[in-house]
Amino acid sequence: NAGVTQTPKFQVLKTGQSMTLQCAQDMNHNSMYWYRQDPGMGLRLIYYSASEGTTDKGEVPNGYNVSRLNKREFSLRLESAAPSQTSVYFCASSELSRTNYGYTFGSGTRLTVV
Amino acid sequence: TQLLEQSPQFLSIQEGENLTVYCNSSSVFSSLQWYRQEPGEGPVLLVTVVTGGEVKKLKRLTFQFGDARKDSSLHITAAQPGDTGLYLCAGGGSGTYKYIFGTGTRLKVLA
Repeated sequence: NAGVTQTPKFQVLKTGQSMTLQCAQDMNHNSMYWYRQDPGMGLRLIYYSASEGTTDKGEVPNGYNVSRLNKREFSLRLESAAPSQTSVYFCASSELSRTNYGYTFGSGTRLTVV
Repeated sequence: TQLLEQSPQFLSIQEGENLTVYCNSSSVFSSLQWYRQEPGEGPVLLVTVVTGGEVKKLKRLTFQFGDARKDSSLHITAAQPGDTGLYLCAGGGSGTYKYIFGTGTRLKVLA
């Protein structure tokens, strides 16, 4: 099983450019998430989708938009990239209706905004 | 705002030593998870604890959930270089679809 697949793995953007980070999972999970990871800050939730057709803001949603395209796919869009968005982005999925289920993470997208 | 504080932030030990890392909060969590993350990869789930006082063992790793469900600890016995990585705890509330992550403990085990 592939689990959670993220593309691209690396990206360099100029300030003001836009891009979409793609995420797909093949585990039939209902819930999907986007986190960013910065040194000393841990993982911070950007947006999440509890189930297909719903999306909600997390802790740090400003500057981002998301689309839950179908049950498998959850994309994250940066409309006008800023240097403060330089980070490592992780997509995750889960079946949290089952209490002992944790997240399955992708391998991340390392984004640099110059 | 729920916060999870992990200590120590960094830990460098020799192979064969024992260690304990801590995850503390002023909030009550319905469940708490521990993950290990290696460079260039996403975190990988190690364990979930859901009952106050619960103890779970995974080979040389022992996880404990505090009685009040506000804190947790991870104890590693006879650490090995393969245990090197970033250890993250994550707490979730009842009925929530999202977990709050701690800032992590970066462990390095020297051969």
